[in-house]
Amino acid sequence: DAKTTQPPSMDCAEGRAANLPCNHSTISGNEYVYWYRQIHSQGPQYIIHGLKNNETNEMASLIITEDRKSSTLILPHATLRDTAVYYCIVRVAGVGTGTASKLTFGTGTRLQVTL
Amino acid sequence: KAGVTQTPRYLIKTRGQQVTLSCSPISGHRSVSWYQQTPGQGLQFLFEYFSETQRNKGNFPGRFSGRQFSNSRSEMNVSTLELGDSALYLCASSLDPGGSADTQYFGPGTRLTVL
Repeated sequence: DAKTTQPPSMDCAEGRAANLPCNHSTISGNEYVYWYRQIHSQGPQYIIHGLKNNETNEMASLIITEDRKSSTLILPHATLRDTAVYYCIVRVAGVGTGTASKLTFGTGTRLQVTL
Repeated sequence: KAGVTQTPRYLIKTRGQQVTLSCSPISGHRSVSWYQQTPGQGLQFLFEYFSETQRNKGNFPGRFSGRQFSNSRSEMNVSTLELGDSALYLCASSLDPGGSADTQYFGPGTRLTVL
């Protein structure tokens, strides 16, 4: 799986949009971009994923650049409960060999939402 | 639909003992993966089971083992515990590792402390 690079930490004011960048310059054509977050000592929570098109769900939006070498997770109106470590992961899906199931976590971005 | 459940949530053992952790996947999910999270090494993949077969394994010693039952529930066992095995053990389930986007959903984890 391709490696990702994320800033170690970011701050965001409550109510503002939080834009979390991720660089994955070596991503392959069959690799998806996944985002998870982990609130202190809890299990990682799935947020969103995408292949090449922008995606949106009730939690966030995912913007993937046209060359797919980077992406941005957008939390449109951050709240204090969004304070967490956010992980960007790229991985192959749909292979069916079992190897697709492995998630390789980096160190993520620690997002601090403040009043 | 109920999420991934893990039991017990907290466990204290002493060096040399063994421990068994349990994971019940989301109903209908057939793949179960295990991860270890420590402050020093972060989140690391242990192994993945599908249809009662281990299909993928991380770089951990043989003291770490697991199994999956016909109802997809999974257990992991750590024998001859060492202090360094103190960690948060996370279980994740997915619907179909061969699917187009086999998203993994995590449980709350089991916090193991080895004294």
